[in-house]
Amino acid sequence: DQQVKQNSPSLSVQEGRISILNCDYTNSMFDYFLWYKKYPAEGPTFLISISSIKDKNEDGRFTVFLNKSAKHLSLHIVPSQPGDSAVYFCAAESNDYKLSFGAGTTVTVRA
Amino acid sequence: DSGVTQTPKHLITATGQRVTLRCSPRSGDLSVYWYQQSLDQGLQFLIHYYNGEERAKGNILERFSAQQFPDLHSELNLSSLELGDSALYFCASSVQYGANVLTFGAGSRLTVL
Repeated sequence: DQQVKQNSPSLSVQEGRISILNCDYTNSMFDYFLWYKKYPAEGPTFLISISSIKDKNEDGRFTVFLNKSAKHLSLHIVPSQPGDSAVYFCAAESNDYKLSFGAGTTVTVRA
Repeated sequence: DSGVTQTPKHLITATGQRVTLRCSPRSGDLSVYWYQQSLDQGLQFLIHYYNGEERAKGNILERFSAQQFPDLHSELNLSSLELGDSALYFCASSVQYGANVLTFGAGSRLTVL
């Protein structure tokens, strides 16, 4: 039962342009959403999060947008840099503190 | 280095065997979580321990078990292994119960032949 879905397995973007990663969820009881970034041979690392009471959170080049009515969130990276090439996981937390993860989107930033 | 240590990094074994994966959480973290990532899948939550006690279970098979010891390290035991158990197993820790930001280890890659 995939409650968090990332429908794009991969994304290729030119250096300096915007990367937009999308995530959909089905459980309206999720109250916190997070993005994790994963490099090969490493574990996921926390990137940015947003509470369900907000619709936008920004941290440097990274901005997460939440549309609760559509059960959709997105991560914008601007400008994209070669070091951003990684797998990005969307995650959502339910009120029992369990994190549900999407399958991930592999981002490749081209020079 | 995230501070969460997982051993072994790689493990190759045969069907029907039993293996133990070990996790040392970040210093001071009381919560330990185990996740499984199979090919092209997201991270599937297996189990959560807080200060030695089991707090939540996910889709963990009966062939799998875990525990957290008094020194807070945790072990995930996988028995009667099947080909489908081949996956990356991640351990994560957090300082408190209910924290939503987890620190992950580098994972243990299990291959069942």
